[in-house]
Amino acid sequence: DQQVKQNSPSLSVQEGRISILNCDYTNSMFDYFLWYKKYPAEGPTFLISISSIKDKNEDGRFTVFLNKSAKHLSLHIVPSQPGDSAVYFCAASGGAQKLVFGQGTRLTINP
Amino acid sequence: NAGVMQNPRHLVRRRGQEARLRCSPMKGHSHVYWYRQLPEEGLKFMVYLQKENIIDESGMPKERFSAEFPKEGPSILRIQQVVRGDSAAYFCASSLLQGADNQPQHFGDGTRLSIL
Repeated sequence: DQQVKQNSPSLSVQEGRISILNCDYTNSMFDYFLWYKKYPAEGPTFLISISSIKDKNEDGRFTVFLNKSAKHLSLHIVPSQPGDSAVYFCAASGGAQKLVFGQGTRLTINP
Repeated sequence: NAGVMQNPRHLVRRRGQEARLRCSPMKGHSHVYWYRQLPEEGLKFMVYLQKENIIDESGMPKERFSAEFPKEGPSILRIQQVVRGDSAAYFCASSLLQGADNQPQHFGDGTRLSIL
């Protein structure tokens, strides 16, 4: 039962362009959503989060959008930089504190 | 380094041995979580602890696995009589005391457990 899905295993974007990573969820009890970035042999690094009472949160080059009716969230990175190449995980929680993760999307930024 | 500290970074065990994984949360954090990641998969929740209490162990296998977060010292994830299927990366995360606002979990760099 995959409650959080990232349907694109990989994404390739040219440097300077916008990267859009997508995530879908099925559990309507989720009320807090997060994006993490992960390099090989390291732990996930927290990027940005959004509460279900909002539909947008922005932090520098990173913006997260939440569409509750569609049970969909996305992460926009603009402009994309070579250092953004990593695996990105979306995660959700529903008050129980534990996070439910998607399978991840490998983002490659091409020079 | 005020981040979440995990040790060892790599652990090799033979089938039937015990594995002990340690996690020291970020300074000021009183909530600890353990996750497991199998190759090419996302992280899967195992257990959530506060000092001296297990709050949620719904992701823990029923046998051979246990976790603790004592009053003093790091949190320990213990796997008894390891099998090949236990080979994975085990990540610990910590967060601030939960209040009215959600707080993100911050992760350590994990322990990579290999079973021979």
